[in-house]
Amino acid sequence: RKEVEQDPGPFNVPEGATVAFNCTYSNSASQSFFWYRQDCRKEPKLLMSVYSSGNEDGRFTAQLNRASQYISLLIRDSKLSDSATYLCAVRNQGGKLIFGQGTELSVKP
Amino acid sequence: EAGVAQSPRYKIIEKRQSVAFWCNPISGHATLYWYQQILGQGPKLLIQFQNNGVVDDSQLPKDRFSAERLKGVDSTLKIQPAKLEDSAVYLCASSLRLAGQETQYFGPGTRLLVL
Repeated sequence: RKEVEQDPGPFNVPEGATVAFNCTYSNSASQSFFWYRQDCRKEPKLLMSVYSSGNEDGRFTAQLNRASQYISLLIRDSKLSDSATYLCAVRNQGGKLIFGQGTELSVKP
Repeated sequence: EAGVAQSPRYKIIEKRQSVAFWCNPISGHATLYWYQQILGQGPKLLIQFQNNGVVDDSQLPKDRFSAERLKGVDSTLKIQPAKLEDSAVYLCASSLRLAGQETQYFGPGTRLLVL
């Protein structure tokens, strides 16, 4: 079993749709959690950290469920510019950042 | 603020040849990482430096990969000899820990194709 697993993609959604990504992790001692965005042929960029209480940044909401060992990212009112690959990342107790394989999102007009 | 710089951006070599990548982290960032990202996968950590010391190189294929950060700033990653399966994007990242929070910033990567 992979340490971090994401929903297989791609997700193809119309503009304005709400889309949710899930990510599960196997190490219950994981310390912190993140969502990164990676545009085609570009480097990953931090989208948001994920806190136990859940957090929101505009149209983006991230949630953490430690009991079930998963994190989620919700994007409301999808824009064309949201098209990218979304990577979840988990920092283990040794400080290493482990990435999922990424979920590709394509928002269509 | 200047970001993480990497060069070259692209490299094409034949198998069994050698190749080296260079990374200049964000000024003041003590921690530097090299990742390998194969197409369709997430980045995989190869090696982590804290200043000029190695913190974690458990996933570095040491028979062919080597990395150094001699003066605790720039770093080079070398592959010798390259194999077809080394074709990937090699990402360098650096980070700074502030108030218990650490954020990694990635460079643009070096895209390697081994023929």
